[in-house]
Amino acid sequence: NAGVMQNPRHLVRRRGQEARLRCSPMKGHSHVYWYRQLPEEGLKFMVYLQKENIIDESGMPKERFSAEFPKEGPSILRIQQVVRGDSAAYFCASSPSATYNSPLHFGNGTRLTVT
Amino acid sequence: GNSVTQMEGPVTLSEEAFLTINCTYTATGYPSLFWYVQYPGEGLQLLLKATKADDKGSNKGFEATYRKETTSFHLEKGSVQVSDSAVYFCALSESYDKVIFGPGTSLSVIP
Repeated sequence: NAGVMQNPRHLVRRRGQEARLRCSPMKGHSHVYWYRQLPEEGLKFMVYLQKENIIDESGMPKERFSAEFPKEGPSILRIQQVVRGDSAAYFCASSPSATYNSPLHFGNGTRLTVT
Repeated sequence: GNSVTQMEGPVTLSEEAFLTINCTYTATGYPSLFWYVQYPGEGLQLLLKATKADDKGSNKGFEATYRKETTSFHLEKGSVQVSDSAVYFCALSESYDKVIFGPGTSLSVIP
């Protein structure tokens, strides 16, 4: 059983470039969550998606960040015009249903470095 | 809003010592509570959970009891091993849309 797959594992971008982070949820999971982890800090919720719908994007910065989970293919977290402060580990998690009682299954993360 | 507070780390223990990591939460209703563990370079893994008051979650020698009266969910293990060295996150889920994590507590176990 493949777990949650994230790629790339490491991504280096120069300031002003775009970063695209991909997440394939576990088979049968239709709920996807993105979290950001800054050095020495905990995980901060960014966005919750179901297939083709954004359910909660209250943790997403209003500018430069967007997320999608199309009917076919992985979920994508897109960061436009990256800045040094975007350097962090970005984790994707999936769940078979809403998270009230269902635990999250995490990928190994994408570590973004902005130079 | 909902929040989770954990004891600050890092925590350093000798092998076979007793472990307690404190966790308290703020929620408007009756959340589900979780402990996740993160090993270096990896994502988080569920360690244990409890979904209602007085429930005890347990796994791999770790346990935590859902205490509604003190809004706490402290993690304990009777005898830690070097392989338990990791970062531990307390978390809650009250609504159907997201899990809220505490800041994490780093644990180092030395032989």
